[in-house]
Amino acid sequence: GAGVSQSPRYKVAKRGQDVALRCDPISGHVSLFWYQQALGQGPEFLTYFQNEAQLDKSGLPSDRFFAERPEGSVSTLKIQRTQQEDSAVYLCASTRQGKHTDTQYFGPGTRLTVL
Amino acid sequence: GQNIDQPTEMTATEGAIVQINCTYQTSGFNGLFWYQQHAGEAPTFLSYNVLDGLEEKGRFSSFLSRSKGYSYLLLKELQMKDSASYLCAVLDSNYQLIWGAGTKLIIKP
Repeated sequence: GAGVSQSPRYKVAKRGQDVALRCDPISGHVSLFWYQQALGQGPEFLTYFQNEAQLDKSGLPSDRFFAERPEGSVSTLKIQRTQQEDSAVYLCASTRQGKHTDTQYFGPGTRLTVL
Repeated sequence: GQNIDQPTEMTATEGAIVQINCTYQTSGFNGLFWYQQHAGEAPTFLSYNVLDGLEEKGRFSSFLSRSKGYSYLLLKELQMKDSASYLCAVLDSNYQLIWGAGTKLIIKP
């Protein structure tokens, strides 16, 4: 596709439920980032992949959060035993190369609401 | 700690000029980005500055002073479609992007 896509666009989960959020980066893009964006705030870094390697996961808020990119393209962010504080928009971004100064192209995000 | 400060909200008139300021205190500096984000949409890239000075790109310009930890985004000939949030983000010494909370720009006719 032309841009980064994410699915689902909206997800409502009951507290304690597990969720999986998908990101399809721009074809051929090397790097992939996950961010969490609370209402009225800027994105907060969660994790970063270069191809299939997860090079930085320092932003993951707890061990309930897990991300993978097994074939170096599609990525999944999984949140186990969701809590109300997990409610946010989860943004995925990709860059053409592995340079951190590259422009990040963002997907539309998945809005997660935990009841 | 790391900190990016931007005004929460600004209002300007269609056709006018507006300057959105950003000050930062980060562990290291590897460049500063400005992104535009319309409500409910993804952020889109506007500019990247790593050297001091002004970078002009059409109606939008971005300025950086590394010694002052300061940047601004200048928008000229404002159009209604420019109503959006403008996010300042700094690439720190670990090459992580540290984001400000964004400035919501409201354009009035």
